[in-house]
Amino acid sequence: SQQGEEDPQALSIQEGENATMNCSYKTSINNLQWYRQNSGRGLVHLILIRSNEREKHSGRLRVTLDTSKKSSSLLITASRAADTASYFCATDEETSGSRLTFGEGTQLTVNP
Amino acid sequence: GAGVSQTPSNKVTEKGKYVELRCDPISGHTALYWYRQSLGQGPEFLIYFQGTGAADDSGLPNDRFFAVRPEGSVSTLKIQRTERGDSAVYLCASTSSGDYNEQFFGPGTRLTVL
Repeated sequence: SQQGEEDPQALSIQEGENATMNCSYKTSINNLQWYRQNSGRGLVHLILIRSNEREKHSGRLRVTLDTSKKSSSLLITASRAADTASYFCATDEETSGSRLTFGEGTQLTVNP
Repeated sequence: GAGVSQTPSNKVTEKGKYVELRCDPISGHTALYWYRQSLGQGPEFLIYFQGTGAADDSGLPNDRFFAVRPEGSVSTLKIQRTERGDSAVYLCASTSSGDYNEQFFGPGTRLTVL
């Protein structure tokens, strides 16, 4: 079963706008990672945030982690049409070894 | 350097046949993972290797699924007596120790069972 749950399931915005996606999870984690996937094929690693971190930036990406609420958010600023993809959060759970548990993803569409 | 590669990129087979899917991890990565992704879903864990041994195979759905990594590098996922429900994209990932488990994924093999 999927631990992570992303919301919204789908998001459609205009180029230049910001996109925010949220992820919730159920158990204690070592870290949380965000991935991007185009056209249902390989996943591209975007950013990893450790359980003792609260915020992390990478280019136009900003990730926050609230372990008390067991939630994370991914913000993409100044979106581009090329950002259109599915975005997944994945948790590395403390009790599950090193396998990742993925949510069902958010489909982001950025309209030119 | 080269990323994770998977072959074939697409595989179409008939119900009941045997298939093998191959994964070449990033050179030097000690851990290798197999995931399966159905349409519209997130990837689901199948099995994880640390070196040559399967450290966690709890995600394999049944005994028709088996995976090996005999020399600690290339891995093969084997599916016997395929069923239509096995149709999915099979993803492989690798990671090195000390990277906080940042997993690098291959492009996947799309398996279609007719």
